[in-house]
Amino acid sequence: DTAVSQTPKYLVTQMGNDKSIKCEQNLGHDTMYWYKQDSKKFLKIMFSYNNKELIINETVPNRFSPKSPDKAHLNLHINSLELGDSAVYFCASSQERTGWYGYTFGSGTRLTVV
Amino acid sequence: AQSVTQLDSHVSVSEGTPVLLRCNYSSSYSPSLFWYVQHPNKGLQLLLKYTSAATLVKGINGFEAEFKKSETSFHLTKPSAHMSDAAEYFCVVSRSGNTGKLIFGQGTTLQVKP
Repeated sequence: DTAVSQTPKYLVTQMGNDKSIKCEQNLGHDTMYWYKQDSKKFLKIMFSYNNKELIINETVPNRFSPKSPDKAHLNLHINSLELGDSAVYFCASSQERTGWYGYTFGSGTRLTVV
Repeated sequence: AQSVTQLDSHVSVSEGTPVLLRCNYSSSYSPSLFWYVQHPNKGLQLLLKYTSAATLVKGINGFEAEFKKSETSFHLTKPSAHMSDAAEYFCVVSRSGNTGKLIFGQGTTLQVKP
């Protein structure tokens, strides 16, 4: 199926651990994104990559590091996890960097830090 | 700068009655506007998008929205609500320029009563 797929779907971990979330799209899109949805369902962009180049880097703690090995993949690594990192993380892709045609979102990764 | 305000955090309708979810936007440029829907514990699905073509935009599942520049509004409507429409709805504006950053509204929870 053509889609944006994220793994894992659920992630429960202890404070201080390091974890990664993976994202892959097979839509042939050039641009990929990470968004964070907090407990009040508010969504905010974290990062964006266009053809492996970082183009958006919002005010995010440097414990969060995105990595894009190729334009079909965008992973998110989080060091020294904190309670406040608990959220749903969404990966998305768009045909090109302006997002003019809209985004396709993955189904999300629910991260719980205990 | 772009911003979007969803005027109702919660809307409750009876099945078979019309749905109106209100959204006002602020943009320095001609905006791209979107409505996304999020069903419980699911990802975000694009309902419809406005990208400076026809001002009345038809989307999936019988939803439509009208872009009104004079009122800076992009309200979402559906003539007859179905139980399956119960979800969280997000009005979204795309930031102008060459990055595809989406600015999300706070979301409106639609409850559909039998």
